[in-house]
Parts: sequence; structure tokens; C-alpha cells
Amino acid sequence: AQSVTQLGSHVSVSEGALVLLRCNYSSSVPPYLFWYVQYPNQGLQLLLKYTTGATLVKGINGFEAEFKKSETSFHLTKPSAHMSDAAEYFCAVTRGDTGFQKLVFGTGTRLLVSP
Amino acid sequence: EAGVAQSPRYKIIEKRQSVAFWCNPISGHATLYWYQQILGQGPKLLIQFQNNGVVDDSQLPKDRFSAERLKGVDSTLKIQPAKLEDSAVYLCASSLVASGTDTQYFGPGTRLTVL
Repeated sequence: AQSVTQLGSHVSVSEGALVLLRCNYSSSVPPYLFWYVQYPNQGLQLLLKYTTGATLVKGINGFEAEFKKSETSFHLTKPSAHMSDAAEYFCAVTRGDTGFQKLVFGTGTRLLVSP
Repeated sequence: EAGVAQSPRYKIIEKRQSVAFWCNPISGHATLYWYQQILGQGPKLLIQFQNNGVVDDSQLPKDRFSAERLKGVDSTLKIQPAKLEDSAVYLCASSLVASGTDTQYFGPGTRLTVL
């Protein structure tokens, strides 16, 4: 079975500071990994995904994540936080060896950005 | 391009009552997903359709939950009878195909409160 652990249910940063949201996964087969963002009263929106190839993945809104197989991690970063980044962020994993996508989500990390 | 539509946005019912949610996916998307998101948790997949056939319903509580996707387009999710623990946001998502690398697009969700 696959699983995702997101360390820290809440992360607080100041505007302009580095954003680091942690995600560790467990998978017995090569994984595909995703980061989604959820704004209040909205559905989830894909930020970025890793499937194969380059391990450093760039997404929307200046976010990026690096797949590190040796550390079973897929941490999300952004060099400089904006107030508009305040939202809930979910890491998700699916098997990379089948033709179907069955996402398993973490419990989420709420990002708080202060002026 | 119109996104995934869901209705109603909010629903309050008494336990043991029935409720139904509706989802209209993005035009042309063959794959449709229903998720349950309990407060403080990540979304959990309930059922996945490929066109009008069920691909995965392993986490659907079939004694009380049912879902259908007539003509491979719109879908309805029903709960009968509802329990207190069914209080959650029900998210619908769609993707163009069912591949592991495809992007799922989420609707805004239906927030269900069971009293």
C-alpha cells in the first residue's frame, strides 16, 4: 500500500520568506507524486507533479519540488512567500507502474503568511 | 473552458435521511472521481469511473453509498441512510484519461452536515 506523511499541520512564514512544506512517501513501486493546493471553499488545484525524468519539478506560482528517492521525500519549496500563498497544501502519491491513477493524499499542511 | 461543476454546494440533513450530489465533469473527460474529505484530513477516493464503467470502488461503503455515471458524462453520488460520520466535503474530479500521469481537475465540492 502507498502512503504519504506531511510533517506539520500548520506552517507559518513571513511574507518574502522561504516556504518549505515537507512530504515523505511510502511506496513499494516507483511512485508518481503530486502537490495540490486548496483555497477556502474551493476544490484542489494541481501545483506540480513528478512522474519520470528530471527530479526537480517546477510548478505554477513559483513553487518547485524535488523528488529524492533515497530520502523518500518530495518537499515543496518557494523562495519568497506571498500573502496569496496562504492556503492548504496536499501531497499525494499514486503507483507509477499501472495505467490508472489512484491518488492517496496526505493530511495536508496549512500555510499561514503574515505581513 | 468550464470547470467541474457540483451541486448543491451545501446540504444539511438529519441522520437516517437520504441525500444526493451531482457532478458535471469537464467536457470530453473520460474519467470521473468522487472523493470524501473529512475535516482535517486529505481527500479519500470513494469511486472512479472510466466513461460509464466503474474502475475502482474499493473504498465506497456500499451498504449506504451508491454512485452512477449515466451516458459517461454526469454523475450522482447518493447516501442512504446518512450517518453522523458522513459529515464531510464531497469532491468530484475529472481527468481526460485514466493514466497515472494525467491531471485531475476538482470541483468546488459539496459540504454535507449530518445532524
